[in-house]
Amino acid sequence: AQTVTQSQPEMSVQEAETVTLSCTYDTSESDYYLFWYKQPPSRQMILVIRQEAYKQQNATENRFSVNFQKAAKSFSLKISDSQLGDAAMYFCAFARYNFNKFYFGSGTKLNVKP
Amino acid sequence: NAGVTQTPKFRVLKTGQSMTLLCAQDMNHEYMYWYRQDPGMGLRLIHYSVGEGTTAKGEVPDGYNVSRLKKQNFLLGLESAAPSQTSVYFCASSYGDRPGYTFGSGTRLTVV
Repeated sequence: AQTVTQSQPEMSVQEAETVTLSCTYDTSESDYYLFWYKQPPSRQMILVIRQEAYKQQNATENRFSVNFQKAAKSFSLKISDSQLGDAAMYFCAFARYNFNKFYFGSGTKLNVKP
Repeated sequence: NAGVTQTPKFRVLKTGQSMTLLCAQDMNHEYMYWYRQDPGMGLRLIHYSVGEGTTAKGEVPDGYNVSRLKKQNFLLGLESAAPSQTSVYFCASSYGDRPGYTFGSGTRLTVV
C-alpha cells in the first residue's frame, strides 16, 4: 500500500521569503508520479507541480520547485519569493505509473505574513 | 469548456435521508473519481470508475454507492446519511494513460 506523510500541519512565512514544505511517501513501486496541489479558501484543488519518478532532474514551475530524493522517498516543495496569494492548504500526492489513483497526504496549511 | 462540474455545491441532510451528488465532465476523460476530504486527513478515495458502466471501490466505500451510466457523468449516492458522512466531497476526472486530475469545486455536505 502507498502512504503519503506530511509532518507539518501548519507553517508560516514572511512575504518575499522562501519556505519549504515536506513530504515523504512509502511505496514499493519504481515508476510513479508525485504532485503538489494547492487548495485556497475557495476549495478548488489547483495543481502546483508534478514530478515523474524516472526523471532525476527536479521539476520547477516559476517560483515553485521540488527537491525529489527517490532513495529517501522524499518530495519537498520550495516556494521562493512568497506572496500573499500563496496562502493555502498544500497537499502532496502520489500516483502509481499508468494507474491514475491518487494517494494524498494530510496537508500543510501555509500562512503568509505581510 | 466547463471542465468538471459538481452539483450541488452545498447540502444539509437529516440522518437517514438519501441524496445523490452529480459529477459531470466535458473533457472525454475515461476515468472518474469521488473523494472525501476531512480535516487532518487529506483526500480519501471513495469509489472510482475506469470507464462507462464500470465502478470500483476505493479506500472508504462503506455507506456510498456510485453509477457511471454515461461516460461524462459519475453519480455518488448516499442511501441513508449518517453524521460521519459530513464532509467535503470532490469529484475528479482524468485520462487513463496520462497522470493528473481535473478536480471539481467540491460539495460541502452536512448531515445533522
